[in-house]
Amino acid sequence: GAVVSQHPSRVICKSGTSVKIECRSLDFQATTMFWYRQFPKQSLMLMATSNEGSKATYEQGVEKDKFLINHASLTLSTLTVTSAHPEDSSFYICSAPAGQGASYEQYFGPGTRLTVT
Amino acid sequence: AQSVAQPEDQVNVAEGNPLTVKCTYSVSGNPYLFWYVQYPNRGLQFLLKYITGDNLVKGSYGFEAEFNKSQTSFHLKKPSALVSDSALYFCAVRNPGGYQKVTFGIGTKLQVIP
Repeated sequence: GAVVSQHPSRVICKSGTSVKIECRSLDFQATTMFWYRQFPKQSLMLMATSNEGSKATYEQGVEKDKFLINHASLTLSTLTVTSAHPEDSSFYICSAPAGQGASYEQYFGPGTRLTVT
Repeated sequence: AQSVAQPEDQVNVAEGNPLTVKCTYSVSGNPYLFWYVQYPNRGLQFLLKYITGDNLVKGSYGFEAEFNKSQTSFHLKKPSALVSDSALYFCAVRNPGGYQKVTFGIGTKLQVIP
């Protein structure tokens, strides 16, 4: 199956700093990628849809200036958490659709654990 | 709007016994339904999907799920549980078409007891 990687897997940063998380599709091209946030014992919350060559589409309530998304190539999307605060601590997961036609599947990265101190 | 309900926070089952993890959905039109599994501090792994056709769908690791349109359900099942099946299971739904938004259930923790 298709493989999606994320880097870093874990990051600890100080409050007020910015953190960049990379999401790569390793063996396929992804014009679209999705960024999710997962709180402990909760479901995945879609934050935004990353589109190659155009602006990301953010879900309601997600601050686009705080969570910057750049989809620079067909295999790479980045999420930058700007001026991070402890409440931004979470598990961030990206996914990319792969497959033919409407029955495509989502392939998920392994996630990035962000801790803001 | 589409939604997914997983009514059980946790399911406990003895090793070797059959397991069922419940899921009901609400979506306009014909749904595409999915099950994913998540191990601690890991991303989600695809188990199986229902798109069309046979209501009983077989997937990875011996799991299967039954699509029931009248009950709007898509329960995950396995005839004989393994301790290694212990994980967090998510049901998900999306509309057909292009890269549509996927809505996940809250997840059900499966605990298989040796």
